[in-house]
Amino acid sequence: EIVMTQSPATLSVSPGERATLSCRASQSIKSDLAWYQQKPGQAPRLLMYAASIRATGVSGRFSGSGSGTEFTLTISSLQSEDSAVYYCQQYNKWPPLTFGGGTKVEIK
Amino acid sequence: DVQLLESGGGLVQPGGSLRLSCSASGFMFSSYVMSWVRQSPGKGLEWVSAVGGSGGNIYYADSVKGRFTISRDNSKNTLYLQMNSLRADDTAVYYCAKPGYYNFLDSWGQGTLVTVSS
Repeated sequence: EIVMTQSPATLSVSPGERATLSCRASQSIKSDLAWYQQKPGQAPRLLMYAASIRATGVSGRFSGSGSGTEFTLTISSLQSEDSAVYYCQQYNKWPPLTFGGGTKVEIK
Repeated sequence: DVQLLESGGGLVQPGGSLRLSCSASGFMFSSYVMSWVRQSPGKGLEWVSAVGGSGGNIYYADSVKGRFTISRDNSKNTLYLQMNSLRADDTAVYYCAKPGYYNFLDSWGQGTLVTVSS
């Protein structure tokens, strides 16, 4: 099973500042990585797939990078509506599909 | 628009059973692997099970293998999860999810809450 590790657990960022979230895979997953955003009481929403491709309707403030075992999600200019928990997920080797533990982004 | 609507959650005693349903619309249901993903209160996401488009390929997380059964009825555009021998640690919101062109999950239902408690 591929283990996904996200850091930090919580990130507190001022509005307009950049937020950088990290995700590490326990073995190479090439670029088979997705990012999801989840707000309280809502289902997860796909943000990025193939590590760097934005899903339909996702703001250009979100960008993804990385390959192999190290990945990054960047929110270029944080807005209040970006307050959420962000999860990464690998789909290179499954079953099982595996998720990271999440990073909670808070607005300072 | 893709829509996924789960139902069947509720309160059940330890050792009990429950069947979840997910009604799908807005896409060619039979062409897609479909997954169940759960989220325990205040916790992260855990993939539970998946079934191939024809129903022939079935996969489970180790945590539910032997207790849960996934199935689908393509004539009804509906996905199911039969949950037996339920335990307290099965308490979670259960989501059904549809993949994109590969196994990232591009559409999710709103979830149905399963509470296992005496």
